[in-house]
Amino acid sequence: ILNVEQSPQSLHVQEGDSTNFTCSFPSSNFYALHWYRWETAKSPEALFVMTLNGDEKKKGRISATLNTKEGYSYLYIKGSQPEDSATYLCASIQGAQKLVFGQGTRLTINP
Amino acid sequence: DSGVTQTPKHLITATGQRVTLRCSPRSGDLSVYWYQQSLDQGLQFLIQYYNGEERAKGNILERFSAQQFPDLHSELNLSSLELGDSALYFCASGQGTDTQYFGPGTRLTVL
Repeated sequence: ILNVEQSPQSLHVQEGDSTNFTCSFPSSNFYALHWYRWETAKSPEALFVMTLNGDEKKKGRISATLNTKEGYSYLYIKGSQPEDSATYLCASIQGAQKLVFGQGTRLTINP
Repeated sequence: DSGVTQTPKHLITATGQRVTLRCSPRSGDLSVYWYQQSLDQGLQFLIQYYNGEERAKGNILERFSAQQFPDLHSELNLSSLELGDSALYFCASGQGTDTQYFGPGTRLTVL
């Protein structure tokens, strides 16, 4: 069974501050790591798909890194804004393209 | 708007009944994935179809089944419904290990 763990479970950050959180996954049989942003009452929205060790991806103020050898990925948000409030999900693909999601990090930005 | 459509949006039914959830993938996507999100649970992968064939199976109960039709739309059939089947059911579409695009979900309530 593939366990994808995310920490912390929830996070409160002051507007303007930068923050980061972690996704851990088993490093064996690794295919890809996905990050999704999930706002309340909406559906998950893709942020990044990363496949190579050392990958770094960026989209505006959000970036992510990947370490496949030790099985972790970090998501960074620079200069947090209220619209960044959401649950951030990571998911790992192992084997037959099964995407296994972590429980998510619920981020709240305080104005 | 991800381009993935799901119907119905909401479904209320009684225990023991059978329901069908429908999903139309984004144009050009051959893969359809079904997920279940129960209260206080993360996204659980149920099943994946690729171009009409079952590709991967997750924690899908025997009472549940799915299929993908020649026009690539997919249906998830849930039978002998129990209270615990109440959940948000998401469909996603994509290409292989690449980004998955999620539909708006169907909220199933079993009374």
